[in-house]
Amino acid sequence: GENVEQHPSTLSVQEGDSAVIKCTYSDSASNYFPWYKQELGKRPQLIIDIRSNVGEKKDQRIAVTLNKTAKHFSLHITETQPEDSAVYFCAASIRGGATNKLIFGTGTLLAVQP
Amino acid sequence: SAVISQKPSRDICQRGTSLTIQCQVDSQVTMMFWYRQQPGQSLTLIATANQGSEATYESGFVIDKFPISRPNLTFSTLTVSNMSPEDSSIYLCSVTLGLGEQYFGPGTRLTVT
Repeated sequence: GENVEQHPSTLSVQEGDSAVIKCTYSDSASNYFPWYKQELGKRPQLIIDIRSNVGEKKDQRIAVTLNKTAKHFSLHITETQPEDSAVYFCAASIRGGATNKLIFGTGTLLAVQP
Repeated sequence: SAVISQKPSRDICQRGTSLTIQCQVDSQVTMMFWYRQQPGQSLTLIATANQGSEATYESGFVIDKFPISRPNLTFSTLTVSNMSPEDSSIYLCSVTLGLGEQYFGPGTRLTVT
């Protein structure tokens, strides 16, 4: 079945450094790739997304890149801050009937050391 | 985005009982979903809640265990039936807006003793 692999599972960086999280998807029909940030005890929050007709998208300190040929997409966080510490999930859309459902990666625990 | 609420926020239940979780959205939405997130794990889709028809369940989830209602475009319920400790988890509803972005409710933390 369809799956999304996410790496690394944990990532520790110094404040101010960059962080990169990578995902690989299996369904070539996937066309929507969101990223979620989940702080401890909170709901997942959509932080950025990208669609298959775009190769890169930026929003302030975060950016997402997509390589459709390789079925890879990545989250880049620059100038990391302690408040960026959280679990990050990538996801890819899969078509289920009339609905594009999401399948999630396994998550990356990002720790930003002050 | 939309304002999504869930009730209850948490509950402790005894083995063998059932719990119904409510999800309310402040605007009409086409798609609503129910997910499970076990401790320290990722999100797993349980089912798509279809308005006016039976829910569509993912592999490994069945209607007898997780009956779902969707009476209108702003409300859905998920029931966890005949609970066992393995059902202890966070249950989240989500909705799609605009071009398909999914937003999550705050979750219901369920502990089964």
